[in-house]
Amino acid sequence: QKEVEQDPGPLSVPEGAIVSLNCTYSNSAFQYFMWYRQYSRKGPELLMYTYSSGNKEDGRFTAQVDKSSKYISLFIRDSQPSDSATYLCAMSESGGGADGLTFGKGTHLIIQP
Amino acid sequence: DTAVSQTPKYLVTQMGNDKSIKCEQNLGHDTMYWYKQDSKKFLKIMFSYNNKELIINETVPNRFSPKSPDKAHLNLHINSLELGDSAVYFCASSQDAGASMAMADTQYFGPGTRLTVL
Repeated sequence: QKEVEQDPGPLSVPEGAIVSLNCTYSNSAFQYFMWYRQYSRKGPELLMYTYSSGNKEDGRFTAQVDKSSKYISLFIRDSQPSDSATYLCAMSESGGGADGLTFGKGTHLIIQP
Repeated sequence: DTAVSQTPKYLVTQMGNDKSIKCEQNLGHDTMYWYKQDSKKFLKIMFSYNNKELIINETVPNRFSPKSPDKAHLNLHINSLELGDSAVYFCASSQDAGASMAMADTQYFGPGTRLTVL
């Protein structure tokens, strides 16, 4: 079983809709959870960072972590065409980062104008 | 004023050749990484390195070797290139864990190097 599972999509929604992106994982030692956004032919850029369980909000983006279910989510409110990209969840065991990040395969999101 | 830069952006080469990809970060970070993103967009850690420790993902062939001339640079050398090495390679960096746990995992990625082996 892969460590991090993420539906690759594509997920297509109309502009203004609420988008829900999810990942599940199997390694209970993961404590640090991130969402990255990657535009075509660009490097990933960090969107949200969460430690342990709970919610975190930043503008139109909300990240949720449920460690008991090994499930993380990213919600995008009032979605815009510029949000069209691939969204990658990532996680790690230690805050030191030395072991690198374990990524999901990414969900390709399309926001239709 | 690019934070993490990589050269070249595109690299096309023949099987069996040896090539290098360069990475530089101007963020003052202590840890640098190389990731490989395959044709299915799966991003996987290859190496992480700071001035104290090199951590190698055990699945990486020994044809791949990182070399760091100084803290701001981590180059990737690949010997005897194979068709399966074709991918996009991303360099990333992060601040040392001693500064802040929250900052340590905030990895900044370069734009990627698209390697095609013919």
